[in-house]
Amino acid sequence: ETGVTQTPRHLVMGMTNKKSLKCEQHLGHNAMYWYKQSAKKPLELMFVYNFKEQTENNSVPSRFSPECPNSSHVFLHLHTLQPEDSALYLCASSQDTGRVNTEAFFGQGTRLTVV
Amino acid sequence: AQSVTQLDSQVPVFEEAPVELRCNYSSSVSVYLFWYVQYPNQGLQLLLKYLSGSTLVKGINGFEAEFNKSQTSFHLRKPSVHISDTAEYFCAVSGASYGKLTFGQGTILTVHP
Repeated sequence: ETGVTQTPRHLVMGMTNKKSLKCEQHLGHNAMYWYKQSAKKPLELMFVYNFKEQTENNSVPSRFSPECPNSSHVFLHLHTLQPEDSALYLCASSQDTGRVNTEAFFGQGTRLTVV
Repeated sequence: AQSVTQLDSQVPVFEEAPVELRCNYSSSVSVYLFWYVQYPNQGLQLLLKYLSGSTLVKGINGFEAEFNKSQTSFHLRKPSVHISDTAEYFCAVSGASYGKLTFGQGTILTVHP
């Protein structure tokens, strides 16, 4: 148990579907992150939220739409995805983005397959 | 801008042998350095981190790493590996924003009996 929980663990969706990934942290953190881990590529930072405000969008296509209703939850809404979007999507949290003496805690990820 | 290069994509080693996983970074600002481990079908777990102070950092599971500013390296070492150390290891760097990590490509460590 890492304190960061992602659901679902696995998701298969068609290119015309709409689905959402959920991430919840029970660590009292204020910053949350979405990362994409594709085969044979480094982990890519997608979005950063700090105190519920989006502070970074790393040129992510609009078919990925994040939502952060509170500091404990972040969602990644998916629509009209492409097969190349198949990857492991990892959520992480940290105390906040301005502190350097804390670590980022990762969830176990959602394995997404787009067919 | 920051970047991280892990010099070996795969490292096979026999049980109880020493291992070194290499990591080099580039950054225009002061950096904070991390090693994470990912076991199959799991998320990332922090092994150790360098923020400041002593350049030799000790982490969990008997791992350690040494920060070398002149060589811009942060190599991970363990004097004697176990089968259970088989996993993928990621080196990462952050600048002013802690959780905003830039990762290397990963090194798959395979420990053989």
